[in-house]
Amino acid sequence: DVKVTQSSRYLVKRTGEKVFLECVQDMDHENMFWYRQDPGLGLRLIYFSYDVKMKEKGDIPEGYSVSREKKERFSLILESASTNQTSMYLCASSLTGGWRGYTFGSGTRLTVV
Amino acid sequence: AQKVTQAQTEISVVEKEDVTLDCVYETRDTTYYLFWYKQPPSGELVFLIRRNSFDEQNEISGRYSWNFQKSTSSFNFTITASQVVDSAVYFCALLRGYGGSQGNLIFGKGTKLSVKP
Repeated sequence: DVKVTQSSRYLVKRTGEKVFLECVQDMDHENMFWYRQDPGLGLRLIYFSYDVKMKEKGDIPEGYSVSREKKERFSLILESASTNQTSMYLCASSLTGGWRGYTFGSGTRLTVV
Repeated sequence: AQKVTQAQTEISVVEKEDVTLDCVYETRDTTYYLFWYKQPPSGELVFLIRRNSFDEQNEISGRYSWNFQKSTSSFNFTITASQVVDSAVYFCALLRGYGGSQGNLIFGKGTKLSVKP
C-alpha cells in the first residue's frame, strides 16, 4: 500500500517563525500536493509538484512556498507564520495525471500563536 | 470555472436509515473524473470511488451506491442502512487538468454525516 507520512501530527508555532511541514511518500508517485482544510471551506490546494524540483501554485499559495528536492519528499514552508495560517494541512500523492486518485497523509494540525 | 458544490453541510440520521449525500459539479472539460472521499474522525482521507465522464453506470459496493448523472452534473452518494461507523465527513472532488501531468483535485466543502445509535 502507498503510504504518505507527515512528520508531525500537531505543531504549535509562534507568529513570525519559519515553519517546515514535511511529507514523504513511499510509492514512487510523481505528483505531490499540499492542501489546507478549514471548517466550512473544505480542502483548498496550496501548491503541488509533478516532478522533482517542479512546483505549481494552487488556489491559495500566498504566504507559502514549497520544496521538492527528492521525488519522495515534498515540503511546505511558511516563511513567516501568521495566525491566519492556523489550520489542518494535508499532504497527498498520486501517479502522474491524478486520475487514479490521491493517497493522503494523516494531516498536521498547525496552531500559530 | 470548475467547481464542486456540496450543499448539505451537516446531516444527522438514526442508525439503519438511508441517507443521500449530494454533489453537483461544474466543468468545461469533456473528459473528467469525479471522486468521493471519506474523512473519519482520525483525519486521514480515504478513497471511496472514482468515476469518469464516459461511464454513467451507477455503482454499488455493499451498502454504498453512487448515482452519476451528466444531464444534471450530479454525482450523488447513498448509504443504505447507515451505521455509526459511517459517521465522517464526506468529500466530493473533481479532477481538473485531465490529460496532462498536472491534474489536480478540486474538492467540495464536505458534508458531515452523524449517525446516531
